Amino acid sequence: DGGITQSPKYLFRKEGQNVTLSCEQNLNHDAMYWYRQDPGQGLRLIYYSQIVNDFQKGDIAEGYSVSREKKESFPLTVTSAQKNPTAFYLCASSIRSGGPRNTIYFGEGSWLTVV
Amino acid sequence: SQELEQSPQSLIVQEGKNLTINCTSSKTLYGLYWYKQKYGEGLIFLMMLQKGGEEKSHEKITAKLDEKKQQSSLHITASQPSHAGIYLCGADEAGGTSYGKLTFGQGTILTVHP
Repeated sequence: DGGITQSPKYLFRKEGQNVTLSCEQNLNHDAMYWYRQDPGQGLRLIYYSQIVNDFQKGDIAEGYSVSREKKESFPLTVTSAQKNPTAFYLCASSIRSGGPRNTIYFGEGSWLTVV
Repeated sequence: SQELEQSPQSLIVQEGKNLTINCTSSKTLYGLYWYKQKYGEGLIFLMMLQKGGEEKSHEKITAKLDEKKQQSSLHITASQPSHAGIYLCGADEAGGTSYGKLTFGQGTILTVHP
């Protein structure tokens, strides 16, 4: 089935560790996004990528890093510099970015908890 | 940056009742997206509106964007328990070229009692 796959669904991180969340899509979309959702709040944009080997900071990029080496993959690393990483992380994709508006699809999300 | 205010924050209705959720911005809503979310799960795309006065429907859900493009409403007719969840509006603040960077409201929690 076509879609966006995020893994793992649940992840626990110790203080001072870096962790990487995986996001893979088989929709042949150029654009991919990472959002963070905190309880009772809307989503906030962390990073986005319009095309392979290119990505831009969103509203809350501090403490996070990404890479876009393949069209179908956009992993997010939560570094030890992120002060409050416990949250629900959502990956999204769309056909293109930097043109006419189009539908943005989301994955099932990953829960990250700092222990 | 654009701020979106959703109202009400939560809503409890009896099955079969109609309901409306609003999404308001102080800035122009160039692209307004509606999503549904079950707690702890991903977002399901419902509809996207771009033009002032635009209205779209899917099954029993209708979304409208007002003429001034500063408010959108989501209306559910004859609600069912399957409609329960969190409804989120997201806005693209780009007037011309879109980069898909959305600002979201805080969400409206809908409960439908059988």
